[in-house]
Amino acid sequence: EVQLVESGGGLVQPGGSLRLSCAASGFTFSNFWLSWVRQAPGKGLEWVGNINTDGNYITYGDSVKGRFTISRDNAENSLYLQINSLRAEDTAVYYCAKDLRRGSDWGQGTLVTVSS
Amino acid sequence: DIQMTQSPSSLSASVGDRVIITCRAGQSISTYLNWYQQKPGRAPKLLIHAASSLQSGVPSRFSGSGSGTDFTLTISSLQPEDVATYYCQQSLRGHTFGQGTKLEIK
Repeated sequence: EVQLVESGGGLVQPGGSLRLSCAASGFTFSNFWLSWVRQAPGKGLEWVGNINTDGNYITYGDSVKGRFTISRDNAENSLYLQINSLRAEDTAVYYCAKDLRRGSDWGQGTLVTVSS
Repeated sequence: DIQMTQSPSSLSASVGDRVIITCRAGQSISTYLNWYQQKPGRAPKLLIHAASSLQSGVPSRFSGSGSGTDFTLTISSLQPEDVATYYCQQSLRGHTFGQGTKLEIK
């Protein structure tokens, strides 16, 4: 069974940084592209970006370019999202997802709250 | 980013009604289109992939159609458990989502 478990969310002050993790199991991690998707409270889904199998090709959504960095560790079966210079509008549940072209496997999400 | 526009943004229908949600892409995306159902506090659940392929385990009252720029999600006979928000998502280039359609029971 595919499992994706996000962690690292919490309350952060504006201007701070955060690193989210997504631990994967139940599939051959290194064979799949992975994505981050976020959802602000009461709002729709927003694609943050994705990373290829080797980690050497990364694409970001237009609204998040510059402060977000996606990476992966295939030896640890883990996906990461580094967010710098956090703003109130980054408050959201952050989901990791396997192979969004197919779309069937998502984590349960981790909540990031940016507030002073 | 490829823009995805859903309509309507909200919808109220009666149990047993046929419900249609539409999604339009800003450029042709062939059939690189998924549909999701999301209930409050839950991750999105895949209903349809590649525009018209029903995900395993999803009731057959759900169906998808379209190609190019225009797509539809149809619920043939609305059930109470279908109350949710529905999203389309393109995967031709990146993975942008529509803004969502909130479906309620009348």
